[in-house]
Amino acid sequence: EDQVTQSPEALRLQEGESSSLNCSYTVSGLRGLFWYRQDPGKGPEFLFTLYSAGEEKEKERLKATLTKKESFLHITAPKPEDSATYLCAVAGTASKLTFGTGTRLQVTL
Amino acid sequence: DGGITQSPKYLFRKEGQNVTLSCEQNLNHDAMYWYRQDPGQGLRLIYYSQIVNDFQKGDIAEGYSVSREKKESFPLTVTSAQKNPTAFYLCASSTRTGGNTEAFFGQGTRLTVV
Repeated sequence: EDQVTQSPEALRLQEGESSSLNCSYTVSGLRGLFWYRQDPGKGPEFLFTLYSAGEEKEKERLKATLTKKESFLHITAPKPEDSATYLCAVAGTASKLTFGTGTRLQVTL
Repeated sequence: DGGITQSPKYLFRKEGQNVTLSCEQNLNHDAMYWYRQDPGQGLRLIYYSQIVNDFQKGDIAEGYSVSREKKESFPLTVTSAQKNPTAFYLCASSTRTGGNTEAFFGQGTRLTVV
C-alpha cells in the first residue's frame, strides 16, 4: 500500500526565514510525486510534478526536489502570502493519488 | 475560463436524506475523481472515472454513489448509508489516469449533517 508522511505538521516562519518541508513516501512503482498548495476552505492548487530521483522544479520562492525516498519543498525568503497548507501526493502503479496530511505553514511579519 | 466547478459551496442535510453534489469540468479531461477531506487526515479517494459510463470504487466508497453519463459531469450522491457524511468534498480531473499526470481540483463542497 502506498504511503505518504509529511513533516512537520505545522511550521511558523518569520518573513524572509527560509526552510524546507519534507515528504517521505513508499510507493510501488513511482509514476509521479505532486505538490499542492491549499488555502483554508479552498481546493488544492497544483504546484509541481516530479517524476524521477534527482529532478528539481522551481516556481518563484518554491523549489521542489526528489530522491528515491523523499521530496523536499524548499521555501526561500517566504512572504506572508505563502501561508497555506502544502500537500504532497504520490501516484504508483495503482493509478491513483495517495495524499499526505499536509504541512500548515504560517509566515509572519 | 477553463476549470472545475463544484456546487453548492455549502450544503446542509438532515440525517436519513440522500444528497447529490455537482461537479462539472470544461477542461476536456477524461478522468475525474471524488475525494473526501477531514481535519487531520489526508485526502481520501471515494470514486474515480476514466471514461464516460465507467467508474471504479476508491478507498472509501461505502455509502456513496456516482454516475458518469457525460464527459463533463461526475455527480456524487451521499446516501443515508454513509455513517459520517459531514466533511469537505473535493472533485478533481486529469487528462488521464495512470499517475503521471497532475489532477486539478474544484473549490470543494462542505457538507454538514444536521
